[in-house]
Amino acid sequence: GQQLNQSPQSMFIQEGEDVSMNCTSSSIFNTWLWYKQDPGEGPVLLIALYKAGELTSNGRLTAQFGITRKDSFLNISASIPSDVGIYFCAGQSNTNAGKSTFGDGTTLTVKP
Amino acid sequence: DAGITQSPRYKITETGRQVTLMCHQTWSHSYMFWYRQDLGHGLRLIYYSAAADITDKGEVSDGYVVSRSKTENFPLTLESATRSQTSVYFCASSESQGWETQYFGPGTRLLVL
Repeated sequence: GQQLNQSPQSMFIQEGEDVSMNCTSSSIFNTWLWYKQDPGEGPVLLIALYKAGELTSNGRLTAQFGITRKDSFLNISASIPSDVGIYFCAGQSNTNAGKSTFGDGTTLTVKP
Repeated sequence: DAGITQSPRYKITETGRQVTLMCHQTWSHSYMFWYRQDLGHGLRLIYYSAAADITDKGEVSDGYVVSRSKTENFPLTLESATRSQTSVYFCASSESQGWETQYFGPGTRLLVL
């Protein structure tokens, strides 16, 4: 099946720093999604990307749909303690009937 | 309350027992999904349903059974629980199969002894 490689696996940063994480795949996706999961909760959608090259922002979060359609990036600027959590990417493909394939997540820890 | 709920939130069972996890949504969303999340990993699709009485397997469906007699409910049954089914189970719903936002429930933490 389709596989996503998400990196880094974990990050420990100081409050105020910027964060970057990415997902890569050997397959082409039509949609890229970025979710955040708080401890003990289900994932919540942060950003959805629908076109190659698309750059979309949601507050301090910015995500990009890679030109090759095989990767996506998420940046968080000026991190704050409530950014702590697990960030997941997910790709959707027309060839997989629109089902989401999830990365293994990036665990973010922000030190005040 | 409106939204998507799961019950129980925590469950401990023994190998060989049958366990049913419940999922209920109040949005009348057509699509519903069951995922499992193992420690350090992302979500893997177990089953999904496009509408009442329509279900289909995901990538890790062995050992699980679902039903969808009503649009708002999508129970997941472990027919004979195994230790490898210890996991966190998330239910989700969406207006359409995935092109729209999937809304996730809070999860059920299942421990199989």
